[in-house]
Amino acid sequence: DTGVSQDPRHKITKRGQNVTFRCDPISEHNRLYWYRQTLGQGPEFLTYFQNEAQLEKSRLLSDRFSAERPKGSFSTLEIQRTEQGDSAMYLCASSLRGPVGDGEQFFGPGTRLTVL
Amino acid sequence: AQKITQTQPGMFVQEKEAVTLDCTYDTSDQSYGLFWYKQPSSGEMIFLIYQGSYDEQNATEGRYSLNFQKARKSANLVISASQLGDSAMYFCAMREGLVNSGYALNFGKGTSLLVTP
Repeated sequence: DTGVSQDPRHKITKRGQNVTFRCDPISEHNRLYWYRQTLGQGPEFLTYFQNEAQLEKSRLLSDRFSAERPKGSFSTLEIQRTEQGDSAMYLCASSLRGPVGDGEQFFGPGTRLTVL
Repeated sequence: AQKITQTQPGMFVQEKEAVTLDCTYDTSDQSYGLFWYKQPSSGEMIFLIYQGSYDEQNATEGRYSLNFQKARKSANLVISASQLGDSAMYFCAMREGLVNSGYALNFGKGTSLLVTP
């Protein structure tokens, strides 16, 4: 399978716990994006990486959220001290920046987080 | 302010008929890109079609076409010959800025399409 993969697919946690999600992009893609999607809404941008550098962060990304992409390959998104408002689908996407600009973003299946 | 507006929360279409899903956008940039994604109940976002702001021809991909009206700032998706498997959420999205930027996508709230036999 050469698509974007995410792990886990589902996560249930108690309020106050920390959670970490992983995203493996398409191997040759140098850009990686994290989005959050709540019920009845479209995805909202959280952050993106070009290779290992985190180049942009949304105001939605509070201090409790941190994302990394060591070595420019897979990425992790950690949420500390989870709150019930963090319950959402967390989507990862990747794209390839080429000589004529950014290609389309390919999305993974998402991680559905439920905070009790 | 909402950058992408999808005014149809839900749409019905009969199998084999064509359907148009509406999308209007708001930007002051001259260079931007418009996308449509499909999201089945499984949750994965599937890329359907792309239209660049400087493209003079409307984009087409198989049964999907994008009716791009720049002056009206609309980018409606037309699905021809609907199939039962087309039942899903459809999202319109925009990327602003220069084509070599890494700007994120701004999504609308989506339209739920149900194809009936």
